[in-house]
Amino acid sequence: KNQVEQSPQSLIILEGKNCTLQCNYTVSPFSNLRWYKQDTGRGPVSLTIMTFSENTKSNGRYTATLDADTKQSSLHITASQLSDSASYICVVSERGGGNKLTFGTGTQLKVEL
Amino acid sequence: DAMVIQNPRYQVTQFGKPVTLSCSQTLNHNVMYWYQQKSSQAPKLLFHYYDKDFNNEADTPDNFQSRRPNTSFCFLDIRSPGLGDAAMYLCATRNSGSSYEQYFGPGTRLTVT
Repeated sequence: KNQVEQSPQSLIILEGKNCTLQCNYTVSPFSNLRWYKQDTGRGPVSLTIMTFSENTKSNGRYTATLDADTKQSSLHITASQLSDSASYICVVSERGGGNKLTFGTGTQLKVEL
Repeated sequence: DAMVIQNPRYQVTQFGKPVTLSCSQTLNHNVMYWYQQKSSQAPKLLFHYYDKDFNNEADTPDNFQSRRPNTSFCFLDIRSPGLGDAAMYLCATRNSGSSYEQYFGPGTRLTVT
């Protein structure tokens, strides 16, 4: 069964600090992995998307890594801001099959003063 | 310049009273998805349209139906809402010819009283 597991489940950090969120997956055959940011009561917004051949991708203060061999990904947030408080969801897509997505349950990040 | 629009943002309906949620898009994407997301859970795919072709997930209850009258619009009909159907409903779109990326709307928060 395809699964995406994220850790930690929740995280509190001080403004200005860095943090790293983890994602492990068992989705096969693998097509791509995305990280989304979802603010409370809003729809998910894409941060990065990586295919098999990509092992790192940045979007401003967000840097995602992918190790397709170990089926792990991380999202690193640099110099956190209060507006980074949100749920961060790792989503993995199967190759073929209509682009079916398997969602992780997210890491709830809170950035405090 | 919103790209995926959902109306209303908040909907309250009574137990058993039919309700329709709306999604429209300005992206001219050929694939449209409906997801259900309950509190602190990952989004769950209900069904999607690939062009005019309707694709239902195996575990989507019969209580949920969808219509896509044209490329831009897609509706989610809940025929007899139960208390367990209270959730955030997310619409997403994708251009199958050019991208893996799914673009999400802001969601409709459904409350069943």
